[in-house]
Order: sequence, then C-alpha cells, then structure tokens
Amino acid sequence: EAGVTQFPSHSVIEKGQTVTLRCDPISGHDNLYWYRRVMGKEIKFLLHFVKESKQDESGMPNNRFLAERTGGTYSTLKVQPAELEDSGVYFCASSQVGGNTEAFFGQGTRLTVV
Amino acid sequence: GESVGLHLPTLSVQEGDNSIINCAYSNSASDYFIWYKQESGKGPQFIIDIRSNMDKRQGQRVTVLLNKTVKHLSLQIAATQPGDSAVYFCAENYTGRRALTFGSGTRLQVQP
Repeated sequence: EAGVTQFPSHSVIEKGQTVTLRCDPISGHDNLYWYRRVMGKEIKFLLHFVKESKQDESGMPNNRFLAERTGGTYSTLKVQPAELEDSGVYFCASSQVGGNTEAFFGQGTRLTVV
Repeated sequence: GESVGLHLPTLSVQEGDNSIINCAYSNSASDYFIWYKQESGKGPQFIIDIRSNMDKRQGQRVTVLLNKTVKHLSLQIAATQPGDSAVYFCAENYTGRRALTFGSGTRLQVQP
C-alpha cells in the first residue's frame, strides 16, 4: 500500500513567486493535515481537512497560504506570493477517522525561497 | 536531506547503551502523546504512543513513560543501534483536537 506522497520533493523559487505543493494521502484516510518545519525549529501545524472540509485552519500563518482538497482526495497548498520566511519543509500527514489514530507522514517538500 | 536544526539538543550515546530522550509539555488538557523518529530526508515516523490513562507503555526496544504531574514524557531506547540515529520528536493532542503539537526535537547520535 502506498504511503503519503508529496510533490515536489524540493522547490526553489524567488521571492514573490507562487508555489503549489501537492499531497496524496493514504487511500481511505479522510483526515489530512499540513505541517511545516521552518528554520530547523519544531514542526508546526498548519491545517486539518476532514474529507474536503477544513476542520481546523488555526495554524495557517497568513492569507498568502491557501489549502484546498477538492473531492476529498489529494490536497494542494499554495503560497502566493512567497516570502523568504516561508522557506522550510512542508509535511503532509493523513489518518483514518475515529478517536486518536496514527497519523502517517509524507517525506515532505523542502521549499527554499531566495 | 533536511537542514540541521541549529539549536537542536543532541544526545550522543555509544552503540549498545540505552538512550533516554525527554520532552516537556505545557498543556494540562493533553491526553494523547506520540513519539516520532525523523531521519534525514524523510517524514516523521511513528514510534510509539501513550494515552493519559497510562504512565508506561512498552514496544519493541522502546518504552514511553508519562508523568502527568510534572507534564513530562520520555522515550527510552534499549540497546541503541546506529540505525536509531535520527531526530526524535514528541507530539501531543487532546480529545476534540486532531492537530498535533510537536516538541522541538532531540537529535540522537549513536557512536559505533
């Protein structure tokens, strides 16, 4: 069974440009999460989807970030326009519904804004 | 791989020794705790979890201890191996919130 996959694995963009990250969760997982780790600090929560609905977006830093999960399958996270402080590793995770269940993480997308 | 955390605490142990990694949390409402292992270039990998109604849980070569009184969590790795070298994160959440709050991480270096 395929795990959580993220694309691209690396992205280098200039300040002011737009970047879209994609996450394909494990099939059948209704919960999908975005996290990021910037400047080598702790991993921080961005938002949580249940199917196509945003359940919790309290971690989204500002309105330059837009996450979507059309159809409740894969998700995209768009940063527009990108700023230098957006550089970091963006992780996606998915889990099944019901109680506290294990969240499986993707390998992450390393975003570098120059 | 991922960039090195400039201020990441590091634990260096000899191969075969036992390792203890500690984590403090602040939210007294947290009732679910997880330890993750992250190797370079990979995402966090689940190691072991524990719920707040327990104070100890054992897995294969790993033990998690929870002290709710002082809000402290530890991960013990028995007979540490070179393959255990990674960054270890504790994470927590509470009933009604699925998002995880991560600790800052500890880098474990195993010396052969």
